[in-house]
Amino acid sequence: KAGVTQTPRYLIKTRGQQVTLSCSPISGHRSVSWYQQTPGQGLQFLFEYFSETQRNKGNFPGRFSGRQFSNSRSEMNVSTLELGDSALYLCASTPTWANTGELFFGEGSRLTVL
Amino acid sequence: GENVEQHPSTLSVQEGDSAVIKCTYSDSASNYFPWYKQELGKRPQLIIDIRSNVGEKKDQRIAVTLNKTAKHFSLHITETQPEDSAVYLCAASTPGNTPLVFGKGTRLSVIA
Repeated sequence: KAGVTQTPRYLIKTRGQQVTLSCSPISGHRSVSWYQQTPGQGLQFLFEYFSETQRNKGNFPGRFSGRQFSNSRSEMNVSTLELGDSALYLCASTPTWANTGELFFGEGSRLTVL
Repeated sequence: GENVEQHPSTLSVQEGDSAVIKCTYSDSASNYFPWYKQELGKRPQLIIDIRSNVGEKKDQRIAVTLNKTAKHFSLHITETQPEDSAVYLCAASTPGNTPLVFGKGTRLSVIA
C-alpha cells in the first residue's frame, strides 16, 4: 500500500507570492489533516478535511486555506507569503476520525520564503 | 482548547541508559495520547499510544504511563541505542470533533 505522498517536497518563494501544496492520502483514507512544523513552535494544526468538508480549523490567518477533492486528495494554499511562513508542512491521513488513531504522515513540503 | 507541554526540549543520554520524556495536558476530557518519533529529515511515525482507560502500556523497550489525576503522561525508553536518536512528539486529543494537539517535541541524542 502506497504511503501519503506530498508534492512538491521543496520549494522557494518570495514574500507576497502564493503557494499550493498537494497531499495524496493512503488509499481508502478519507480524513486529511495539515500541520505546520517549525523549530520554535513544533507541530501546529492547520485544518482537517473529511469527505470534502473542512471538519476542523486551527488558529491560523485566513491566508491559509485548503480543500479536499472527491478522491480524498487535498491541497492547501498560502497567499501573500510572509517570511514567517517558512516551515515544513506535513499532511497526515487516517481512515476516519483524525483524533482517535494513528496519523499517517507524508514526508512534508519544505517551504522557504525569501 | 487543549494545550500540551513537553519537557525536556533536549535530552542527551549515554547508550544503554534510560530516557524519560514527560508531557502535561490541560483538558481533563482528553482520552487519547500518542507518541511519535521523527528521525532527522523523516516523517513522524507512531511508536506507541495509550488511552485514558489504561495506566501503562509497554512495547519492548518503550513504555508510556498515564496519570489522569495529574494530567501528565510520560514516555520511557530503556537500554537506549544510537538509533533511538530522534525528535519525540507527544500529543493529546479529546473525544469528538477535535484535532490532535502536539507538544513541541524533545530532541533525544543517544551518545555511543
